[in-house]
Amino acid sequence: DQQVKQNSPSLSVQEGRISILNCDYTNSMFDYFLWYKKYPAEGPTFLISISSIKDKNEDGRFTVFLNKSAKHLSLHIVPSQPGDSAVYFCAASAYNQGGKLIFGQGTELSVKP
Amino acid sequence: DVKVTQSSRYLVKRTGEKVFLECVQDMDHENMFWYRQDPGLGLRLIYFSYDVKMKEKGDIPEGYSVSREKKERFSLILESASTNQTSMYLCASSQLLGGTKNIQYFGAGTRLSVL
Repeated sequence: DQQVKQNSPSLSVQEGRISILNCDYTNSMFDYFLWYKKYPAEGPTFLISISSIKDKNEDGRFTVFLNKSAKHLSLHIVPSQPGDSAVYFCAASAYNQGGKLIFGQGTELSVKP
Repeated sequence: DVKVTQSSRYLVKRTGEKVFLECVQDMDHENMFWYRQDPGLGLRLIYFSYDVKMKEKGDIPEGYSVSREKKERFSLILESASTNQTSMYLCASSQLLGGTKNIQYFGAGTRLSVL
């Protein structure tokens, strides 16, 4: 049972345009959501997070939106840059699961010059 | 900066060998995790630990064991390596419980090939 799903395995965007990566979840107990970025042959690095009490969090070019009623979150990257090309994972945690994170399958973003 | 160090970047082992993957973190984090990453499957949790000598099974513990004798070190053990354990293995650590403390910090990963 996949509690966190990223239904798009890949996304291609032109440099300077907006990249939108999507993530759906099923567990209503999730109260904290994170996005990680992963380059090949490296470990994932934390990008941005959002608590379930918010619907938006912004950090520079990165914004995460949370729609709790739809159990959906998205990561917006504006403007996209070639260095943003990587695999992006969304992850979720529930307050009663300790520090465990449940990860989605990942979306590979390619930003073309 | 948080640093999580995995002892090997690449390993090649034979079927049936006992394999040790080592992970060390330098931020005094209570939680440590082992994942494997496979294409199309994301990161799947193998084992985690909340404290020294404590361990909990994750989603795919079969064929693996772990050891945490010191707070900073978490070892993953493949008792008898099999070809289906060929994968990228990732270690992570985090502070204890709740809010921003759920952020996990990852090592660079170990690419294990079992022949």
